[in-house]
Amino acid sequence: DAGVTQSPTHLIKTRGQQVTLRCSPKSGHDTVSWYQQALGQGPQFIFQYYEEEERQRGNFPDRFSGHQFPNYSSELNVNALLLGDSALYLCASVKREPFPEQYFGPGTRLTVT
Amino acid sequence: AQSVTQPDIHITVSEGASLELRCNYSYGATPYLFWYVQSPGQGLQLLLKYFSGDTLVQGIKGFEAEFKRSQSSFNLRKPSVHWSDAAEYFCAVAPMDSSYKLIFGSGTRLLVRP
Repeated sequence: DAGVTQSPTHLIKTRGQQVTLRCSPKSGHDTVSWYQQALGQGPQFIFQYYEEEERQRGNFPDRFSGHQFPNYSSELNVNALLLGDSALYLCASVKREPFPEQYFGPGTRLTVT
Repeated sequence: AQSVTQPDIHITVSEGASLELRCNYSYGATPYLFWYVQSPGQGLQLLLKYFSGDTLVQGIKGFEAEFKRSQSSFNLRKPSVHWSDAAEYFCAVAPMDSSYKLIFGSGTRLLVRP
């Protein structure tokens, strides 16, 4: 049983560019959450996808958008990158029943220069 | 506003000593409660969780945590620390009405002396 996978592992982008990060949840999980973890801080919730729709959103600007595919995999897109977007982006695969548990992937380290 | 406080930024213990990491939350109702561990450059691994029932919960790697409603606390404990336990530990809560949104504390870095 594969765990949560994320790609790419590392990414370097220039300010103003756009980036797409990818995530595949654990087998049997149909819900994905995305988090941003800045250096030295705890992760912050970006949004959650279920049934190909964004269901909840944290306090992030519209530059952050996402998508979920029929196979439950998900993408996180960030437009007009800022230096402050440099962080570890974590995808969590959500086991919804009987109680919600989130299992994290290894993350994508994004550096904006 | 909902928040999670981990008052200790760093903790250093000797190998074989006991460990307690503190976590307090601020929320109107009892949320779901979690502890995660993160090794450098890695994702987060779920150590244990509390949803309801017995207030003392057991997790992986010999960790346990106790929920105290009166203190809004969910402290993590281990009776004997191993060198491999050195990592960053995060407490997280998920409000029952927004249970897919984890709110994390700022973390406690555990250092283990040989």
